[in-house]
Amino acid sequence: AAGVIQSPRHLIKEKRETATLKCYPIPRHDTVYWYQQGPGQDPQFLISFYEKMQSDKGSIPDRFSAQQFSDYHSELNMSSLELGDSALYFCASSLRSRNRSDQPQHFGDGTRLSIL
Amino acid sequence: AQTVTQSQPEMSVQEAETVTLSCTYDTSENNYYLFWYKQPPSRQMILVIRQEAYKQQNATENRFSVNFQKAAKSFSLKISDSQLGDTAMYFCASGGYQKVTFGTGTKLQVIP
Repeated sequence: AAGVIQSPRHLIKEKRETATLKCYPIPRHDTVYWYQQGPGQDPQFLISFYEKMQSDKGSIPDRFSAQQFSDYHSELNMSSLELGDSALYFCASSLRSRNRSDQPQHFGDGTRLSIL
Repeated sequence: AQTVTQSQPEMSVQEAETVTLSCTYDTSENNYYLFWYKQPPSRQMILVIRQEAYKQQNATENRFSVNFQKAAKSFSLKISDSQLGDTAMYFCASGGYQKVTFGTGTKLQVIP
């Protein structure tokens, strides 16, 4: 079965550079979530989109922005990168139903971002 | 708001034995799910099992089962017949319509 696809798998940047991470949800999934997992930490929610509109916002720095496109893929844009941004960035997708909470979020394999 | 607490940072179990990982949670949502995710050294985030809060029956997936105590806000994971491939970090998580909130994880080591 198709899974959540994230690209790139690995990314190396220097301080003050910009980065763009991409996420392609499972087909027919309408909701995308972004999480950041620092070394030895649990994943922290950044932001989510439902039907191309921002749905919820977590601990996302102002230097980061994200959007969901008409084909439901999403991009996380990161500017003025800092050493502390080095982390594993997960994207997850789900299909939201009207009467109950989202179906389980299915995670991609993550993008490992390293800031030098 | 949601909080998830895992009080066991590390655990070990002999191969073929049974182990239980503990988790407590708190949520203001009426309709929510609870999850256990497994993160092996490859760092993929793999869904192990999920429980719908409105269902009283405990979820089971092969060797994995949960003990869901809604009143106590407890959601433990039992792994039976532990295998070497079960060695991983296990995250308990709570999710509603929006984000999933993770606990701090329990590192499980299966010993041959």
